[in-house]
Amino acid sequence: GAVVSQHPSWVICKSGTSVKIECRSLDFQATTMFWYRQFPKQSLMLMATSNEGSKATYEQGVEKDKFLINHASLTLSTLTVTSAHPEDSSFYICSARGGGRNTIYFGEGSWLTVV
Amino acid sequence: DAKTTQPPSMDCAEGRAANLPCNHSTISGNEYVYWYRQIHSQGPQYIIHGLKNNETNEMASLIITEDRKSSTLILPHATLRDTAVYYCIAINNYGQNFVFGPGTRLSVLP
Repeated sequence: GAVVSQHPSWVICKSGTSVKIECRSLDFQATTMFWYRQFPKQSLMLMATSNEGSKATYEQGVEKDKFLINHASLTLSTLTVTSAHPEDSSFYICSARGGGRNTIYFGEGSWLTVV
Repeated sequence: DAKTTQPPSMDCAEGRAANLPCNHSTISGNEYVYWYRQIHSQGPQYIIHGLKNNETNEMASLIITEDRKSSTLILPHATLRDTAVYYCIAINNYGQNFVFGPGTRLSVLP
């Protein structure tokens, strides 16, 4: 099946620094990519939707200046957590929509720990 | 957008069929029924999706009622590795505005 890859799988950063997470669709072109965060024992919460070449659409309550999303190509989207704080520690997951049936596939997720 | 409801948890004996129900009584005509599963600390894995016809692939079968108000995911021979949280989601053709509910936590027991 189609593969969506995230990198890094886990990252530890110091409070106040910025962290970038990449999301790639490996064998299909993704017209739309989505970013989620998930806290322990909770379901996925959509943060933003991005279409290639245009600005991301953020969900209510998600700060666009803190969570920068870039979707520069049909196979790559990046999420940058700027000036990270411990409360930003979470599991971040991307998904990409594409392929023959426009199916939505998810990446493996990235664990962010801010210390 | 359609909201789905699923039982919070289910048990299934190893080797038996696991039948996971989902209600989506307010689904729109252009919304597909998608099923994903999530094993602890991993991203959701795509299982299957359909619009109104039943679907089958190497992982599972999807049975959608004629009125499209409910569906059942069938894992024909559950194994211990099928233990996961299963999410049923209604997604339109543009992939817009879909939300994850709490899903069903399936435990496959030896």
